[in-house]
Amino acid sequence: GDSVTQTEGLVTLTKGLPVMLNCTYQTTYSPFLFWYVQHLNEAPKLLLKSSTDNKRTEHQGFYATLHKSSSSFHLQKSSVQLSDSALYFCALSTGSFNKLTFGAGTRLAVCP
Amino acid sequence: EAAVTQSPRSKVAVTGGKVTLSCHQTNNHDYMYWYRQDTGHGLRLIHYSYVADSTEKGDIPDGYKASRPSQENFSLILELASLSQTAVYFCASSDPPRHSNERLFFGHGTKLSVL
Repeated sequence: GDSVTQTEGLVTLTKGLPVMLNCTYQTTYSPFLFWYVQHLNEAPKLLLKSSTDNKRTEHQGFYATLHKSSSSFHLQKSSVQLSDSALYFCALSTGSFNKLTFGAGTRLAVCP
Repeated sequence: EAAVTQSPRSKVAVTGGKVTLSCHQTNNHDYMYWYRQDTGHGLRLIHYSYVADSTEKGDIPDGYKASRPSQENFSLILELASLSQTAVYFCASSDPPRHSNERLFFGHGTKLSVL
């Protein structure tokens, strides 16, 4: 079946530094990839999505490029802010019904 | 912004008891989902529905039932709650996929503790 791997459980950074959160996936179908962000005590919200190979997608300073050749969809930001501290989920959808397969999540902690 | 409301926000249940988690959406979405969140596992799909009066099993349906009495409402039922069902439960809704898969709108979650 489908799977999503996020290798980092916790990433701790100082404000202003760049960040990359890793996401790789496995599927035999055509993939749609998503990044959802969950701030403390809030609902997960969509941050980015893509199904186009090798095209960068951006939102709120975050960006990601789907690379089907390497089955990756890493999330990046050039300069993190304190407000970026949250739990980030990579998710995969391959068929109808918008069903998502989530990775385990990466907690990003930004320090002053 | 689309609205998905879950109730209760938290609940303590006894092992073997019955638990019902409720979800209400005002987005006019046809699709609704129940996910559970456990540390280290992300979110996992329990049940989903794409039309009223019909539900489908997700990836981890064992021990759970679902009910979709109307487009707006979707309930998750634990007939015999067990310790392993302690988790945070999220309801979500979405439009049907058209040109691409649609985003999910999540509720704030229900924290369930089974003792």
